[in-house]
Formats: sequence, structure tokens, C-alpha cells
Amino acid sequence: GNSVTQMEGPVTLSEEAFLTINCTYTATGYPSLFWYVQYPGEGLQLLLKATKADDKGSNKGFEATYRKETTSFHLEKGSVQVSDSAVYFCALRGSGGSNYKLTFGKGTLLTVNP
Amino acid sequence: SAVISQKPSRDICQRGTSLTIQCQVDSQVTMMFWYRQQPGQSLTLIATANQGSEATYESGFVIDKFPISRPNLTFSTLTVSNMSPEDSSIYLCSASHPSGTRINNEQFFGPGTRLTVL
Repeated sequence: GNSVTQMEGPVTLSEEAFLTINCTYTATGYPSLFWYVQYPGEGLQLLLKATKADDKGSNKGFEATYRKETTSFHLEKGSVQVSDSAVYFCALRGSGGSNYKLTFGKGTLLTVNP
Repeated sequence: SAVISQKPSRDICQRGTSLTIQCQVDSQVTMMFWYRQQPGQSLTLIATANQGSEATYESGFVIDKFPISRPNLTFSTLTVSNMSPEDSSIYLCSASHPSGTRINNEQFFGPGTRLTVL
């Protein structure tokens, strides 16, 4: 079945530091890949997505590139802010018949200190 | 986009009781989902709530434990029955907007219901 493995947290950075959160996946076919963010006390929000190999998703300064050769979708941001403190989830949606189902990683807690 | 609200936002319940969680979407949606997020764990899909038919449950989840209703295109409920401390978790409602092709449909999430069972 499908699975997502992401970097274990927590991750603590200083403001303006570079962020990488690793995410690798196992899936058959050509899944779509997502990063969701969960701010304290809120639901999950879609941060960015990529639906085919070599696509780059980007939003709010975050980027992730769909790498089929390494089955990866690492999240990066060049300069984090305190407001980026949240839990980040990598997820995939399969390309088979049940292609509405999302499979999530365990989440990575990011704390950014001023 | 779709805005999703859930009630209650949190609750503390006694072992053996049941709790019904409500999920309201501000627009009509094709598909609604219920997830569980256990402490330190990823989100796990419990079931897909189908309007006008029985919910579709994932492996490890059964209707007797998690009965679901979907009376219309904007509302769903999840009941956690005969609760035990192992049911302590965050329960999230999600909906998929009908616009576009299915493969590109984004899933929107509610804020979650934090349940503690004593």
C-alpha cells in the first residue's frame, strides 16, 4: 500500500534560518503529493502540492519538488519566520481507483524562535 | 474553497459513554471524510461519509463503533461509541470540493475535535 515517511521532529530554528523537512513516499503509479500545515488550534491547511514528476509546488516562500527518481517531496524555505511555527504534514493521494484518499506522514513540529 | 466547522471543539468523556461530533461545511460538497489523529501519530482515515448511502469504512474501523450520518451535502456526524481511553484523540472532518476533476480535488479540513476519555 501507499506510505509516507517524513523527518521526525521536533525541529527548532532561529528566525531567518533555512528549513528543510524531508519526505519520501512509497506508492504505485503516479501519485499526487501535498504538504499540509496545521497551526496551533486550527485544522489542516493545504500549503502546496505537485501532481506530476518534476513539478514544483510553492506557496508563502515554501517550495517542494516532486522527484520520482528518489520518491521524495522535501519541503524547503529559505528564511523562516516565527509565524511559520506549526506542524507540517506530507501526504500523497494515489493514482488508482481510490484516488481521493490521502495518506499522511506523522507530521513534523517546527518551532521558530525570534 | 470550503470552510468547515466542527462541534464540539473539545470534550472530556467518561468510559462507556458515546459522543457525537458534528461537521458543517459552508458549501455543498461531494465527499466528506472523518480522520483520527492520535497523539504523536499521523492522520488515519476512519471512513468516507456518502450522502444518501452507508459510509465506507477503512480497515480497522467498524460502523458499530463509529456510526456516521450524512443527511445532506453540507453536514455529517461521527459518533464515537462505548468510549475507552484508547479513543482519546483528535477527530477531524474533511471535505472535497466538487469543482474540477476528481484527481485535482483539494481536501479541506475542519479544526478538529479534541476528545479525552477518562
